[in-house]
Amino acid sequence: DIVLTQTPLSLPVTPGEPASMSCRSSQSLLDSDDGNTYLDWYVQRAGQPPQLLIYALSYRASGVSDRFSGSGSDTDHTLKITRVEAEDVGVYFCMQRREIPVTFGGGTKVEIK
Amino acid sequence: EVQLKQSGGGFVQPGESLKLSCAASGFIFSNSVIHWVRQASGRRLEWVGHIRNRVDNYATRYGESVEGRFAISRDDSENTAYLQLSNLRAEDTAVYYCTASTVDYYYGLDVWGQGTTVIVSS
Repeated sequence: DIVLTQTPLSLPVTPGEPASMSCRSSQSLLDSDDGNTYLDWYVQRAGQPPQLLIYALSYRASGVSDRFSGSGSDTDHTLKITRVEAEDVGVYFCMQRREIPVTFGGGTKVEIK
Repeated sequence: EVQLKQSGGGFVQPGESLKLSCAASGFIFSNSVIHWVRQASGRRLEWVGHIRNRVDNYATRYGESVEGRFAISRDDSENTAYLQLSNLRAEDTAVYYCTASTVDYYYGLDVWGQGTTVIVSS
């Protein structure tokens, strides 16, 4: 199974400041057949199901603020928030769907300082 | 409105069975691959399995921890997917989510059910 390791575990942020988190995969998530990297980012707010933010490494899902961006390579992936707002608190997960079984990272908890 | 509405869940004893439902609306359910994901308290999200669409002969795949005990099915005429949980164990205690891609799998899992809790305890 592909293992996803997220860092940091906890990310205290100041409103208005940028934030960045990492997700490292144990193997490449690049599908050489179609050229896509199947790494997504989700946020889960308290008591809510996960919500898709970024799909295929770097594409924002519909309705997601342009403050969020995804980038990376085959195995190192980053989610950035340009200016954190109070509503951004939650646990951010990466998920790979390059291979079955689909696997998730352990999450980065974003909280306001 | 695009949504998945879940039902079922509850408190059961080890070895018992339970069936969860996931009713879709607002998108073409019959085209979608439906996934089930669970989240035990304090643990990371775990993929349970998926069922593909008619074009792919409704093929199913499961995570190793539930293979042979859980079964996913769907009724496209009712826009509903199901997760049959059998021979339940304490470690199956979790919140279970159904999720899908409303347009195409390329675009990620963009719709999630609200989650339903399963507690397995004697």
